[in-house]
Amino acid sequence: GAGVSQSPSNKVTEKGKDVELRCDPISGHTALYWYRQSLGQGLEFLIYFQGNSAPDKSGLPSDRFSAERTGGSVSTLTIQRTQQEDSAVYLCASSHPRGELFFGEGSRLTVL
Amino acid sequence: EDQVTQSPEALRLQEGESSSLNCSYTVSGLRGLFWYRQDPGKGPEFLFTLYSAGEEKEKERLKATLTKKESFLHITAPKPEDSATYLCAVCDSGYALNFGKGTSLLVTP
Repeated sequence: GAGVSQSPSNKVTEKGKDVELRCDPISGHTALYWYRQSLGQGLEFLIYFQGNSAPDKSGLPSDRFSAERTGGSVSTLTIQRTQQEDSAVYLCASSHPRGELFFGEGSRLTVL
Repeated sequence: EDQVTQSPEALRLQEGESSSLNCSYTVSGLRGLFWYRQDPGKGPEFLFTLYSAGEEKEKERLKATLTKKESFLHITAPKPEDSATYLCAVCDSGYALNFGKGTSLLVTP
């Protein structure tokens, strides 16, 4: 498709397990962003990629969170040793540099 | 300190009842102000970008305006399908957009 694709759309996991969330951006978009949206909260910035490098990791909430991007395209957000407070919708967006962001539908993570 | 504050948190309108949503911001060196619409269970959908005070943009029943301190999203004669959460975001010196918490709009027939 032409839009940002995220998988899985829903993930239920047990506390302490690791999870991987995938984002496939719009073709040609060099910038890629991960945000987190918790119930009743605004979008919380996690990390930004320009190409394969991440000049801004300031939003990652702890060292359990990491992300990578390969080939200037697909990105994976990994959460290790998940905690209940990690439950949220994880949104990926892509753009041209400093352009408007186009979001995917999100990955809903539930940690039991 | 929040950079972006949206009000009201929730708004209920009758179909055809025009109103405005507010987004106030405190960043210096604004590089752009963005409006998005988000439906339940969906990702935010881009609506407008405004770059300088005095700028206005329109799309169907929506018009966005920008001053040096705030932006308004005016909704003229809304319809039930306009019901959604409307998000405002600003871009300053960084690369990421800083989002407000949104205004949840419900338009009843």
